[in-house]
Amino acid sequence: ETGVTQTPRHLVMGMTNKKSLKCEQHLGHNAMYWYKQSAKKPLELMFVYSLEERVENNSVPSRFSPECPNSSHLFLHLHTLQPEDSALYLCASSQDLPGSYSNQPQHFGDGTRLSIL
Amino acid sequence: SQKIEQNSEALNIQEGKTATLTCNYTNYSPAYLQWYRQDPGRGPVFLLLIRENEKEKRKERLKVTFDTTLKQSLFHITASQPADSATYLCALNTGGFKTIFGAGTRLFVKA
Repeated sequence: ETGVTQTPRHLVMGMTNKKSLKCEQHLGHNAMYWYKQSAKKPLELMFVYSLEERVENNSVPSRFSPECPNSSHLFLHLHTLQPEDSALYLCASSQDLPGSYSNQPQHFGDGTRLSIL
Repeated sequence: SQKIEQNSEALNIQEGKTATLTCNYTNYSPAYLQWYRQDPGRGPVFLLLIRENEKEKRKERLKVTFDTTLKQSLFHITASQPADSATYLCALNTGGFKTIFGAGTRLFVKA
């Protein structure tokens, strides 16, 4: 139990569907993240939130839309995805934002395995 | 741009031996570096952090070294066990809000 819960664990959707991924953290952390992990590739940072404000948007296509209603919850809304968007989507949290001199290990959920038909 | 390289080939070792994984980075001087473990179908789990002014860090059977001249970190698991089989990721902070990760090295420990 990492303290970060993601639902659903698996999702299969067509390219025209709209779905949402949910992440909830029970650690009292202030920062939350969305990552994409494709096979044999490094984690790709998608979005960063600190105290419900987006602080990083890593050139992600607009078909991915994040939402952070409070510091415990993070959503990733999906619409008109492409086959190359099939991947494992990981949510993470940390006490505060990382910085050059601050120790901020991230706590990850177990991800949503997304398959686009 | 910042780049992290980890050996993409899987590492196979015999139980009881020491596993050594390598993380090399370029174009940056991170203040600290982290190591994570990831099991199939699970998210990464934080293991150890080492700062630039620390040459070595230990936690139980784990040891991490950090050579800022070589731009390299080594991750050692002593007395390895089959339960240590997993993918190990190194990660560093690039000075802003972003932590970048290597692609990981898969470790197999045979009984």
